[in-house]
Amino acid sequence: EIVLTQSPGTLSLSPGERATLSCRASQSVGSRFLAWYQQKPGQAPRLLIYGASNRATGIPDRFSGSGSGTDFTLAISGLEPEDFAVYYCQQYGSSPLTFGGGTKVEIK
Amino acid sequence: EVQLVESGGGLVQPGGSLRLSCAASGFTFDNYEMNWVRQAPGKGLEWVSYISGSGTAIYYADSVRGRFTISRDNAKNSLYLQMNNLRVDDTAVYYCARDPAYRNWYFDLWGRGTLVTVSS
Repeated sequence: EIVLTQSPGTLSLSPGERATLSCRASQSVGSRFLAWYQQKPGQAPRLLIYGASNRATGIPDRFSGSGSGTDFTLAISGLEPEDFAVYYCQQYGSSPLTFGGGTKVEIK
Repeated sequence: EVQLVESGGGLVQPGGSLRLSCAASGFTFDNYEMNWVRQAPGKGLEWVSYISGSGTAIYYADSVRGRFTISRDNAKNSLYLQMNNLRVDDTAVYYCARDPAYRNWYFDLWGRGTLVTVSS
């Protein structure tokens, strides 16, 4: 099973700042089989990025994904108030599908 | 409106059973593969089970194999999860989630979830 480690656990930033979230896999996820989700309290996760760098439908271009193999990054340029949430990465290059433990982006 | 709505959660004793349902609307249900994903209180996400559009291919996480059964009724646009021999560590919000295309293995549409609490 591929273990995904997300860092930092919590990111304290102000609106307008840039957020950089990391997701590291215990082994290669095979090319770019990685997705990112956003989850707000009491809500279902929302797909942001798939294929490591492809934005899902309706996702603003301030969200960007990069990386391959074992190291992936989600960047949010210019945090908006609605971006403060928990973010999860998910690998789908190997069975079973696994998720990272999450990074909480909170208002500083 | 394109949506998924889960139901059937509740409080059950260890060893008990529960059947979750997920009602789909706004899209051609049988064209899509479906999954169950759960989230224990205050914890991260865990994939539970997958079913193909026709229902002929099914997979489970090791943690639930032999106890949970996924199924679907395409005529009713519904997905199900039969959970037997429930354990305390099955306590979680259970989400149904749609795979956007053939075996993409990520999820573009989620329901709001239904809470299952296993406790004596």
